[in-house]
Amino acid sequence: DAGVIQSPRHEVTEMGQEVTLRCKPISGHNSLFWYRQTMMRGLELLIYFNNNVPIDDSGMPEDRFSAKMPNASFSTLKIQPSEPRDSAVYFCASSSQGAANTEAFFGQGTRLTVV
Amino acid sequence: GDSVTQMEGPVTLSEEAFLTINCTYTATGYPSLFWYVQYPGEGLQLLLKATKADDKGSNKGFEATYRKETTSFHLEKGSVQVSDSAVYFCALKPGRGTPLVFGKGTRLSVIA
Repeated sequence: DAGVIQSPRHEVTEMGQEVTLRCKPISGHNSLFWYRQTMMRGLELLIYFNNNVPIDDSGMPEDRFSAKMPNASFSTLKIQPSEPRDSAVYFCASSSQGAANTEAFFGQGTRLTVV
Repeated sequence: GDSVTQMEGPVTLSEEAFLTINCTYTATGYPSLFWYVQYPGEGLQLLLKATKADDKGSNKGFEATYRKETTSFHLEKGSVQVSDSAVYFCALKPGRGTPLVFGKGTRLSVIA
């Protein structure tokens, strides 16, 4: 398996623009997680899905952020409008729900810079 | 809520030194415990895990034992290498279908 695939790897955009980050989870995994990593705050969980249904989005910083999972093989995280403080590395991860001890597999991340 | 506390970094060691990175957790149930490693410019990779009290996870010379009585999961390695330089994250998973809860990470630098 190719692992969790995120695109793009790097994104530079101007403040106010819409940004869409994409994630393809590992085939067969039915949980998907979006995390944000910054130096100041470390790794923060933004939202997660089980069986394509959003379970907890309490980590989404504000209404400018939205996430969808239209099917089991694709998810997007959208920021509209983007702001410089959104600059971070965004990770997508997936796992199987089968047992409590199953680990999450992470993608390579998308480094977002908002100027 | 559930949380993980790990020692502040950065940690700088000479090659072949002994490594310990402390990790303690707070959880209402019986979580599974994990150590992840992040190399520069990459995503997180699972290093090892333990699923119940007294379990020992091990991989690539790293070890950690699930200590329920002290709610700890300290990472150890007997002899570190330059290639071990990375950021290490301790994490817990409360149950099925739940997200991992991460500590803030500890940056390790190993010098030759």
